[in-house]
Amino acid sequence: LAKTTQPISMDSYEGQEVNITCSHNNIATNDYITWYQQFPSQGPRFIIQGYKTKVTNEVASLFIPADRKSSTLSLPRVSLSDTAVYYCLVGAKYNFNKFYFGSGTKLNVKP
Amino acid sequence: DTAVSQTPKYLVTQMGNDKSIKCEQNLGHDTMYWYKQDSKKFLKIMFSYNNKELIINETVPNRFSPKSPDKAHLNLHINSLELGDSAVYFCASSLHDRGGSYEQYFGPGTRLTVT
Repeated sequence: LAKTTQPISMDSYEGQEVNITCSHNNIATNDYITWYQQFPSQGPRFIIQGYKTKVTNEVASLFIPADRKSSTLSLPRVSLSDTAVYYCLVGAKYNFNKFYFGSGTKLNVKP
Repeated sequence: DTAVSQTPKYLVTQMGNDKSIKCEQNLGHDTMYWYKQDSKKFLKIMFSYNNKELIINETVPNRFSPKSPDKAHLNLHINSLELGDSAVYFCASSLHDRGGSYEQYFGPGTRLTVT
């Protein structure tokens, strides 16, 4: 599995756009990039998945440059309820991989 | 209409006891997982079943034994509980032929405390 590196924590204020970057230098051709969100005392929740360029859904956008060695999760206009840990995972979409969530990025949104 | 449910939510027990955690999903998924999240919040996969067949078995003590009676259920039995088993255990499921195995749906977790 490609190893991922994320900042340990980030601070933001309500209403701001937040960009969390994940580095995955050893990403393989068949690998997809997936982001999860985890609130305290809850299980992780799937946010978004992508392979290249840009993917957008009702929650977030995922930007993947041409070399795919990094990706950026963009959360528009965050609110206090977006305070959570965000995990970046990289792996082949249709293989049974062992899923390592790593330490994630703790996003703290302030009023 | 809970998607992935676990019972119990909290489990407090003494060292040496045997306990089970149950997981059920009503999403029609074919793959189910058990994860352990320790006090440092690292989430580690333990087991995975696809169509009731064990496909991932991480380096987990053999005191932990998963059982999948059908595709909708994956239970975790733990023998001779130790203090180090204290953690939050998450069950998850996914449909392998849509979105791949990375789009997983997690249960609410079972907080196990061994005293």
